[in-house]
Amino acid sequence: AQKVTQAQTEISVVEKEDVTLDCVYETRDTTYYLFWYKQPPSGELVFLIRRNSFDEQNEISGRYSWNFQKSTSSFNFTITASQVVDSAVYFCALSGDYGNNRLAFGKGNQVVVIP
Amino acid sequence: GAGVSQSPRYKVAKRGQDVALRCDPISGHVSLFWYQQALGQGPEFLTYFQNEAQLDKSGLPSDRFFAERPEGSVSTLKIQRTQQEDSAVYLCASSLLPPGTSGSYNEQFFGPGTRLTVL
Repeated sequence: AQKVTQAQTEISVVEKEDVTLDCVYETRDTTYYLFWYKQPPSGELVFLIRRNSFDEQNEISGRYSWNFQKSTSSFNFTITASQVVDSAVYFCALSGDYGNNRLAFGKGNQVVVIP
Repeated sequence: GAGVSQSPRYKVAKRGQDVALRCDPISGHVSLFWYQQALGQGPEFLTYFQNEAQLDKSGLPSDRFFAERPEGSVSTLKIQRTQQEDSAVYLCASSLLPPGTSGSYNEQFFGPGTRLTVL
């Protein structure tokens, strides 16, 4: 079974501060994919990033960066220099490379960026 | 539009009523998923279609939930005799190819969801 844990529920930051969201996952699959999605108040899930399990290289994409550590089953996500438009709920998700690629989501982190 | 659309966006039902939620996936997308998102929670998988075939319905919470995709495009999620615990946002997602086709993950594109409130 796939399981994703996001410990923090609501995080408030002042604009231009960095914010890091923690994600810990469980899976028995040897190949899997990890994601971060953003859900603004409009409700639509917006895909942000994806990593596969055999590539632990950490990257930066604009103001987003991620830290994938297979040894600790963690996939943390950082928004640098936060902006008010970053206020949303952020979900970490996991999909195994089997069956139908169904996504298992964490409970989400509510990020509030204060101007 | 080019994205996944869902209708209605909002639905209020009295307990015991039947409801039908519609999903229009991106044209040509083979795979279609339904997820249920309770308030304050992450989405949870309900069911999966590959074309018109429902290949996985392991996430449907009870036999009151039924989904179909008869022509392999539009899908309908039906909930019979709604109960208050059915109140949630129902999300539909589609992806272009069946899983494993291209050797890499096939992106799921999500619709805006239908918010169901059962009174």
